[in-house]
Formats: sequence, structure tokens, C-alpha cells
Amino acid sequence: DQQVKQNSPSLSVQEGRISILNCDYTNSMFDYFLWYKKYPAEGPTFLISISSIKDKNEDGRFTVFLNKSAKHLSLHIVPSQPGDSAVYFCAAPKGQNFVFGPGTRLSVLP
Amino acid sequence: EPEVTQTPSHQVTQMGQEVILRCVPISNHLYFYWYRQILGQKVEFLVSFYNNEISEKSEIFDDQFSVERPDGSNFTLKIRSTKLEDSAMYFCASSRSRGGSNTGELFFGEGSRLTVL
Repeated sequence: DQQVKQNSPSLSVQEGRISILNCDYTNSMFDYFLWYKKYPAEGPTFLISISSIKDKNEDGRFTVFLNKSAKHLSLHIVPSQPGDSAVYFCAAPKGQNFVFGPGTRLSVLP
Repeated sequence: EPEVTQTPSHQVTQMGQEVILRCVPISNHLYFYWYRQILGQKVEFLVSFYNNEISEKSEIFDDQFSVERPDGSNFTLKIRSTKLEDSAMYFCASSRSRGGSNTGELFFGEGSRLTVL
């Protein structure tokens, strides 16, 4: 039961360019989405969120876009930096917790 | 900045042994969670805890698992008789408000790696 999907297990981007991480969901009742970033041997850390009443939320280099009709969201990082290299998880609320996608490993090459 | 802390960072145990993983959530948070990530797989929800009782649990959280808040600061996950497939990274998390709401973002600890031999 994959309610949150991240179909790209990995992505490599050159430093300074844009990174685009994608996430698809199946449940049209989801009203809130989050992105988490995870470094090796660390817990996930909250990055940015978006409510379903918006189609865009921006925080510095990070912007999340939501396309409700396509049940798709994306995280844009621009410009990408080597320190952004991590696994990025998309998450959506399920009951009293969140369901996480499988993650996309981003490598930003210097 | 307040953070969630977990101990031990790594535990190796024999199959069938009991394991207790400990967590100190952020002090003004009211909701507590355990998640796990088996190597190479996604982060999976185990259990949520509020007001001294389990509020939600997944099908993974069977009778071998239990959680407890023995005092005002610690939140523990006990695995009664470990199996090989329990080997994973276990993450504790806490939130100020109810998880799943738009103000209930989770703050995770660094994880406890459990290796069952």
C-alpha cells in the first residue's frame, strides 16, 4: 500500500544547478505534505511543508510545488550545494502520524 | 536548540533476547512516536503515544513490542524477544501537536541501530 511514492531512488546534480525531487500520492484526501532530509547515521530533519490550499511554498533555496489534480508535488532546490547531498523523503499525514515515501538520494557534485 | 536524544546509538543482540531502546523527547512536546527503517527500505511507522497511552499502532507493532513512558522524560521501546528481521534503525520522534495535523511536524532523534544476530 504505497500511498506516497518517490519513483526516483537517486538523482545526481551539478553544484549550482537546480535539483528537482518528485513525489506522487494516491489519496486525494491528503491535505498537508512535508519534506524531510536525512543524512547518513542521522534522523530525518524537517525541511519544508505545504498545505493543500496552496500550490507553492518557498523557504530560501527550497520551494515545494503542489499539483493537486495530478496528485504530485515536487521539491526544488536552487542553487544546489554539496551539503544538500542527502536522502529526501516526502511525507503525508495518515491518522495521527505520517506516511513516508521511500526517499530519493540526492548527490550534488562539486 | 532542543532535540530528541536516543540511546544506545548501536546495540547488537542475540536472537530471542529482550532489547530496550530509550528516547528523551523534546521537553514541551506531548506526542511521541517510534519509526523504524530497515536497511535500504523506507521509514515505517510503528507506534504513537499520547497522554500515557498508545494512540495508534501499525501492523508491525505486534505483541513483541511495547512502549512506556516510565517517568516525565524518557520514552522507551521494548522488543521482548528479538528476531533477525527486527534488525533496523529505530527512530524516536516527538511533536508539539498531534501528528498528521498541519502543525504536528515530527522532530526525530538520530536513531538507534539494532543488529540481531
